[in-house]
Amino acid sequence: EDKVVQSPLSLVVHEGDTVTLNCSYEVTNFRSLLWYKQEKKAPTFLFMLTSSGIEKKSGRLSSILDKKELFSILNITATQTGDSAIYLCAAHTSGTYKYIFGTGTRLKVLA
Amino acid sequence: GAVVSQHPSRVICKSGTSVKIECRSLDFQATTMFWYRQFPKQSLMLMATSNEGSKATYEQGVEKDKFLINHASLTLSTLTVTSAHPEDSSFYICSATSGAYNEQFFGPGTRLTVL
Repeated sequence: EDKVVQSPLSLVVHEGDTVTLNCSYEVTNFRSLLWYKQEKKAPTFLFMLTSSGIEKKSGRLSSILDKKELFSILNITATQTGDSAIYLCAAHTSGTYKYIFGTGTRLKVLA
Repeated sequence: GAVVSQHPSRVICKSGTSVKIECRSLDFQATTMFWYRQFPKQSLMLMATSNEGSKATYEQGVEKDKFLINHASLTLSTLTVTSAHPEDSSFYICSATSGAYNEQFFGPGTRLTVL
């Protein structure tokens, strides 16, 4: 059965801290790994990763994929209260275009 | 970027009634649309995958007679929750994708409350 697991489930940090969110996956016909940020409504897209070892970066956020060990990490440096959200990763499978979501990590950044 | 709309954004209905939710891709042709359900403090759970012009593929445990999905055009998919009950209260989110984009774009979601 296809499975995506995220850790930790929740995290509380102070502004300025650096956090690392983990996502491991076991899916057949893996195509890509996506990260989303969800605040009050639907998720917003952060990154899509298809190749191992190539870091994607956007401001204070960065992410990397390891296709051998089947995991990805999302790093957020110098966290701000606006980073408080649920961070979701999803594995995209080929053929059916199905996306399998992880459990999510609930991040709370305190001022 | 690609835009997906959902309507209504919020609906409250009585138990036993049916509710239709629309999902539209506004600026691209969506060959595939997905319907998710999200309970409070939980992740997105895929309900079904909908391809234009064909029957939806439902995930295990999702009743296809209760959650009717129609994907009649490349820009519109609808989810009808039939004979809704309080346990169907949830946040329903659609997403759309086409091969060219290789990522899914989410609608803003519909919060359904069944009294």
